[in-house]
This record gives sequence, structure tokens and C-alpha cells, in this order.
Amino acid sequence: EVQLVESGGGLVKPGGSLRLSCAASGFTFNTYSMTWVRQAPGKGLEWVSSISSGSKNIYYGDSVKGRFTISRDNAKNSLYLQMNSLRAEDTAVYYCARVWSGYHYADYWGQGTLVTVSS
Amino acid sequence: QSALTQPVSVSGSPGQSITISCTGTNSDIGSYSLVSWYQQHPGRAPKLVIYEDNKRPSGVSSRFSGSKSGNTASLTISGLQAEDEADYYCCSYAGSSAYWVFGGGTKVTVL
Repeated sequence: EVQLVESGGGLVKPGGSLRLSCAASGFTFNTYSMTWVRQAPGKGLEWVSSISSGSKNIYYGDSVKGRFTISRDNAKNSLYLQMNSLRAEDTAVYYCARVWSGYHYADYWGQGTLVTVSS
Repeated sequence: QSALTQPVSVSGSPGQSITISCTGTNSDIGSYSLVSWYQQHPGRAPKLVIYEDNKRPSGVSSRFSGSKSGNTASLTISGLQAEDEADYYCCSYAGSSAYWVFGGGTKVTVL
């Protein structure tokens, strides 16, 4: 069974940093691209970042470019999102999702982890 | 990159069919056959219901179908059921620069 479990969310002050993790199981992690999508409270989905299976290709949304860094450790079946210079508008539930390599849809999603940026 | 445009809400009675539109541009929907649709119940993670414009993942009801014309994609739910009440989001590949863009979401209400 495919499972994606996010962790690392919490309360952080504006300007602070946080590192999210996503533990994957039930599939061959190193053959899939992965992506982060967030959802602000009461709002819609927003694509954040994507990474290819071997980390060669990395993409970021304009709202996080230069502040967030996506990475993965295929040996640990884990995906990460390092978030720096956090702003109030980064407050959201962050979902990790699996993407078939070379394709553009997310077929499995984690349950999400809440990040709250507030003083 | 602007979000794709969806109606805020759509409603229908049980057994009816409803259609949700998703309007983009020549840079996203109009250039690629890579529109996906996601269903999200309150407090739950999104679930893929349509990918590559009109393909249905294994396990998704055949009552869900997707189509596209020009810069507008559509999701149709036929034989509406109470369990279909949820938020629905479209998403399109938008090239290597903008990558993925989502619609603002549509709340489906079963009357």
C-alpha cells in the first residue's frame, strides 16, 4: 500500500525556518518524481515545488522561489522541503504527493502537515 | 502564472449530471493534454479523479469524465450522488517555467 507521511510542521515566527519531511513507503521511491502542494486555511491548492526521481530536475513556484529548497534522499525513501524566510502567507497545510516520472499528475497524496507562520 | 478559472460553486440533485469548467490560456491548458482533476472532501487530502484531460485512474467511478476544448477543460459528474459533495480542483502543466498551475476550486453541492 502506498503511504506518504508528512512531518515537521508547526508554529514558526516570520523570518524563521522549518524543514518538512515526507516518508514514503509501499512503492519504489527512486523511480517516481515527487511534489509539494500547499493549501492555506480555507483556500485552494497551490503547487509549491517538484523534484525528479534522481533530483536532476527541480522546479519551484514563483511565491517560494529563492526561499524554499526541495530535496530527496532515495536511500531513506524521503522527500524534504527546507523553508526559509517564512512569511505569514506561507501558513498552510503542506502535502507531499507522488508523480509518475515524466508525467504531470499526482496519484497519491499524504495527509498533510500544518505550517503556521505567526509572531 | 495566474491560476486557472473555475466557478466557485456548482450544484445538482441526486441522479443529475453536472459539469465544472476550468479555463486557462494558450500557455497551459491550450498547449498540453495534461489537465488533471482532484476531489477533496473537507479535512481530507486531495484525490486524483481524472488525468491527462480525460483518463480515469483505476478505482475511480465511471461517473467521472473529463474533456477539453481549446483553453477550457471540463469535469462532468453523471448520476450525482451524495458522496460526490466535495471541492474539485483542476490542474494543468504550464511548461518548464510555470510548471503546474491549479484552478481556484469548485464546491459541488448535492441538493
